[in-house]
Amino acid sequence: KQEVTQIPAALSVPEGENLVLNCSFTDSAIYNLQWFRQDPGKGLTSLLLIQSSQREQTSGRLNASLDKSSGRSTLYIAASQPGDSATYLCAVRPADRDDKIIFGKGTRLHILP
Amino acid sequence: DAMVIQNPRYQVTQFGKPVTLSCSQTLNHNVMYWYQQKSSQAPKLLFHYYDKDFNNEADTPDNFQSRRPNTSFCFLDIRSPGLGDAAMYLCATRAGGAEQFFGPGTRLTVL
Repeated sequence: KQEVTQIPAALSVPEGENLVLNCSFTDSAIYNLQWFRQDPGKGLTSLLLIQSSQREQTSGRLNASLDKSSGRSTLYIAASQPGDSATYLCAVRPADRDDKIIFGKGTRLHILP
Repeated sequence: DAMVIQNPRYQVTQFGKPVTLSCSQTLNHNVMYWYQQKSSQAPKLLFHYYDKDFNNEADTPDNFQSRRPNTSFCFLDIRSPGLGDAAMYLCATRAGGAEQFFGPGTRLTVL
């Protein structure tokens, strides 16, 4: 059974720092991995999607990497800003169940002004 | 240019009074999902449609039902809401092997 873990559950960093959020999954047979952002009381915003054949994806200050064999993904945020404060969730689509994605519990990020 | 729209954004109902939440999409995606999310938890999949094919998760309570009359619209019906059903309800869509897009959610309060 696929399980997705995100550590730490919460993180506070000063504004301007670069930071890395971690996501690990137990079964390397995945179709893709997606990173989301969720602001309090809001829906999920898709940040980056990495297909299983890809190693990384970039969007602006965000870079997501995927190491499928070791069951890990990282989300790198450069030059953090207070507006980056949110909960970040990763989710994997298992290769044998293309119709659903498995979420981690998220990392709650707080950028200190 | 909203792509996944949920109405209402906030819904208050009374214990046991049926409620319907709606979701519409402008993306023409063939897959639509309903999730339940409680505070500080990951979204929990309730059911999804692949075109008109309905797929129910094994642990989705019988109290929850869904309808998809056409590609663009999907409804979540809660027949007899209990206090434990108070949550954020999220609708999402997907086309093929691409990413999921989520709506803004409906916050349900049960009095």
